[in-house]
Amino acid sequence: SQTIHQWPATLVQPVGSPLSLECTVEGTSNPNLYWYRQAAGRGLQLLFYSVGIGQISSEVPQNLSASRPQDRQFILSSKKLLLSDSGFYLCAWRTGGGGNSPLHFGNGTRLTVT
Amino acid sequence: AQSVAQPEDQVNVAEGNPLTVKCTYSVSGNPYLFWYVQYPNRGLQFLLKYITGDNLVKGSYGFEAEFNKSQTSFHLKKPSALVSDSALYFCAVRDRGSGGSYIPTFGRGTSLIVHP
Repeated sequence: SQTIHQWPATLVQPVGSPLSLECTVEGTSNPNLYWYRQAAGRGLQLLFYSVGIGQISSEVPQNLSASRPQDRQFILSSKKLLLSDSGFYLCAWRTGGGGNSPLHFGNGTRLTVT
Repeated sequence: AQSVAQPEDQVNVAEGNPLTVKCTYSVSGNPYLFWYVQYPNRGLQFLLKYITGDNLVKGSYGFEAEFNKSQTSFHLKKPSALVSDSALYFCAVRDRGSGGSYIPTFGRGTSLIVHP
């Protein structure tokens, strides 16, 4: 069966520090991968998605970046965190194709920038 | 762009009563619609989807959703609510991202509170 791992579960970082969040998927090949941010426990904002190794699409311009160095690995990074980067970060995957497959989410990383 | 709207921030229902969480959509072409549930400090879990076929879709945990093309709605329902159903519910629709691939677009979410 497929599983998704996301870590760390919580993170407290000072303003201006770097960030690296990692997500890996097991049990499937060539998944579509997504990074979402959820603020204040409500709406989901799509940050990045990837349909293949090295292919990254950005939905929101900001100081975050994403990379996909391996088929089932998706990394969210920042060189210098801002206070506004605080939030709940969710990684998700789904099988590629026509968009009719559901998303499968990790358990998220709660980031607090102080 | 495709979109969904969840008109209620919060729905309150008594345990044992039927529940409805509303979702309306705006799409060009045929809609691909999804419902997800989120428990506190967890990721979202897929409940059900409508792609084509029967307008009544059955999903996980006893939930179902009714697709209504004339009203452009896809309301989530359950005949008898449980306290454990209390969570945040998201409606989503298939959209296209800036890179041209299909992406899901989510509504703002509805908080369901089931009272004992």
